[in-house]
Amino acid sequence: DTEVTQTPKHLVMGMTNKKSLKCEQHMGHRAMYWYKQKAKKPPELMFVYSYEKLSINESVPSRFSPECPNSSLLNLHLHALQPEDSALYLCASRPGQGMDEQYFGPGTRLTVT
Amino acid sequence: GQNIDQPTEMTATEGAIVQINCTYQTSGFNGLFWYQQHAGEAPTFLSYNVLDGLEEKGRFSSFLSRSKGYSYLLLKELQMKDSASYLCAVRDGTTDSWGKFQFGAGTQVVVTP
Repeated sequence: DTEVTQTPKHLVMGMTNKKSLKCEQHMGHRAMYWYKQKAKKPPELMFVYSYEKLSINESVPSRFSPECPNSSLLNLHLHALQPEDSALYLCASRPGQGMDEQYFGPGTRLTVT
Repeated sequence: GQNIDQPTEMTATEGAIVQINCTYQTSGFNGLFWYQQHAGEAPTFLSYNVLDGLEEKGRFSSFLSRSKGYSYLLLKELQMKDSASYLCAVRDGTTDSWGKFQFGAGTQVVVTP
């Protein structure tokens, strides 16, 4: 298994809803990332987990709550989002601490109404 | 932090060669990565450089000069499927060893028949 999977592919939610995005990899990678990408913009780093611990939080609003239940799974819990949070949410993983690249999942296209 | 610059758009003919430049200013450098991203899809890894010089991978080559804060991606024998956005990303070595990847805004390459 050499891929990062993300579910759902598309999500439409209201501003009062609570939803979760899921990311999974079975490559034994030790670091996992959440990025947010708006149209025609580069990915912006949100969170980094290393060895299942949160190592970087890029001052993301608390309405986004990450969780890493185990080494293969990364969740992003969403609550009380705003329309400007609509974007493509990308998950990525990396094997370790060397000069290795990130492997991206296909992303979840989120629309907040 | 980093400041990463790359051209917004480049157009080239099928079969030609295109060179995408990337300049960066960083407080800590631990590698430069190139990704390809088709519209609505996740980025896919192309190449990386950590030492000065040229790395060749098939039709794609990437060059790095750390003293100049400069890299380029060379795409040879262009094909229509190469029409995409090309993202330059710098890995920050000043944070924990897992590193933060900061992306440039991307260069949209348009390949014409």
